[in-house]
Amino acid sequence: AQRVTQPEKLLSVFKGAPVELKCNYSYSGSPELFWYVQYSRQRLQLLLRHISRESIKGFTADLNKGETSFHLKKPFAQEEDSAMYYCALSGGSNYKLTFGKGTLLTVNP
Amino acid sequence: DSGVTQTPKHLITATGQRVTLRCSPRSGDLSVYWYQQSLDQGLQFLIHYYNGEERAKGNILERFSAQQFPDLHSELNLSSLELGDSALYFCASSVNVGTEAFFGQGTRLTVV
Repeated sequence: AQRVTQPEKLLSVFKGAPVELKCNYSYSGSPELFWYVQYSRQRLQLLLRHISRESIKGFTADLNKGETSFHLKKPFAQEEDSAMYYCALSGGSNYKLTFGKGTLLTVNP
Repeated sequence: DSGVTQTPKHLITATGQRVTLRCSPRSGDLSVYWYQQSLDQGLQFLIHYYNGEERAKGNILERFSAQQFPDLHSELNLSSLELGDSALYFCASSVNVGTEAFFGQGTRLTVV
C-alpha cells in the first residue's frame, strides 16, 4: 500500500522567513514523489518532482529514502506563496497517484 | 491552462439525481485520473484509466462509475446523489502511467 502523510494541516509564517512543508511517505518500492500547489481552490499545478531535482519559484525538495521523506523548502517565503500544497506519490504497477491531505501555507506580511 | 478540460464547471442538482462529469485530457495523454476534493476529506483518488482500461480504483462509491472512451475522453457518472457528494471533482491526465499529471479546473458539484 502507498500512503502520503502531511502532518501539518496549517502552516503560518512571516514574509522572508524560511518555510518547510513536511511530507512522509510509505511505499515498498521506488516511488516518484511530487509536490503540487493549489491557489484559491483553483486547479492543482505541479510544483516540482524529485526526479528533475530542479528549483521552482525558489522551492526545493529532496527525497530522503532513509527517512521516507520529501519535505518542501524555501529559504525566504513570499506572500504569493500562500496556497495549499499537496505532496503526492506515484508507484506500483498501476502508478496510482496518491496525495497527502495537504498543508495550507499562509505567508503573512 | 493545463490543457485538461472539464465540463461543466458548476453543477447544482437535487438528492437522488444522477449526473455525468466530463473530462477531455491533454492531447496525447493516455492516462486519466479522477479525484474528489472536499473540505473534510481532502483530495481523494477515485479511479484511474489508461488507454480505455481501468487501472486502479480508490475510494470510489458503488454509486459512482467512470469510463474512458476510444477518443480518450472520460466521464464520471454519479448516481443516487446525496448531500455528502457535494465536492469539487478533478480530472487529471498524463502521457503515461507514472508521469506527472496535469489537472483540469474541476467541476464543483452541489447537491441540494
